[in-house]
Amino acid sequence: DSGVTQTPKHLITATGQRVTLRCSPRSGDLSVYWYQQSLDQGLQFLIQYYNGEERAKGNILERFSAQQFPDLHSELNLSSLELGDSALYFCASSRSGRLGDEQYFGPGTRLTVT
Amino acid sequence: AQRVTQPEKLLSVFKGAPVELKCNYSYSGSPELFWYVQYSRQRLQLLLRHISRESIKGFTADLNKGETSFHLKKPFAQEEDSAMYYCALRARNAGGTSYGKLTFGQGTILTVHP
Repeated sequence: DSGVTQTPKHLITATGQRVTLRCSPRSGDLSVYWYQQSLDQGLQFLIQYYNGEERAKGNILERFSAQQFPDLHSELNLSSLELGDSALYFCASSRSGRLGDEQYFGPGTRLTVT
Repeated sequence: AQRVTQPEKLLSVFKGAPVELKCNYSYSGSPELFWYVQYSRQRLQLLLRHISRESIKGFTADLNKGETSFHLKKPFAQEEDSAMYYCALRARNAGGTSYGKLTFGQGTILTVHP
C-alpha cells in the first residue's frame, strides 16, 4: 500500500498517560497534517509539517506535540491524557502543502482514554 | 478566521431521489472548497473540489460566492452513496499562499434507503 499509513489502529490507555501516534506519508509527499475527529468537535486541524518544519498550527493543545523526521514520517505525541482526548486521529499528506495540493488521508488511529 | 457550516447532521432519502447536502462557509478571502466522503470503516476520500468543476460518482457542487455556499447535489441517489460527507475549506493566508490546512464542517450522514 503506497498510501498514507498510520499506526497503531487502536489504542486504549488510561488518563494521565502518554501515547505516540505514527504516520507515514505517501511516497514523495513532503507535507503531513494531523486532524482530530471527535463526536462533539467534528474534524479539527491540529498541526502541519512540511519537510521537517512546522508550517501551521490549529487547535492543538499544549499537552500535544508533533514532529516530522528526516524520512518524512511524523509522530503525534499526546501526554497527560484526559477522557476528552478520546477521538479518531487522522494523518494526511500532500505533495507540497501549497494551494492546489490534494490531501490524502490515512485510516486513522482510534484513541480511547479510560 | 474561516468557518464551514453543514446544517444537517442526518439526511435520509430513498434510492432514486435527488439529494442535496448543504454547505455554507464564511471566509473573507478567496477560498478553495472541497467535499470529502467517508464510507463506513474507510478513510476520508476526496470526492470533488470546486476548482476542477468535475462530476464524481454523479455528484456535482457549484461554488456560489454570493450565497457563500457549496452545496453537493446528485439527481438520483444510490444506496452505495450512504456515507458521511464533509465539506471543507482551504484558505489563502495574508501572503497569498496557503499551507494547506483544511477547515471542515461538522459532517452530514447520508442514508439512502432502498
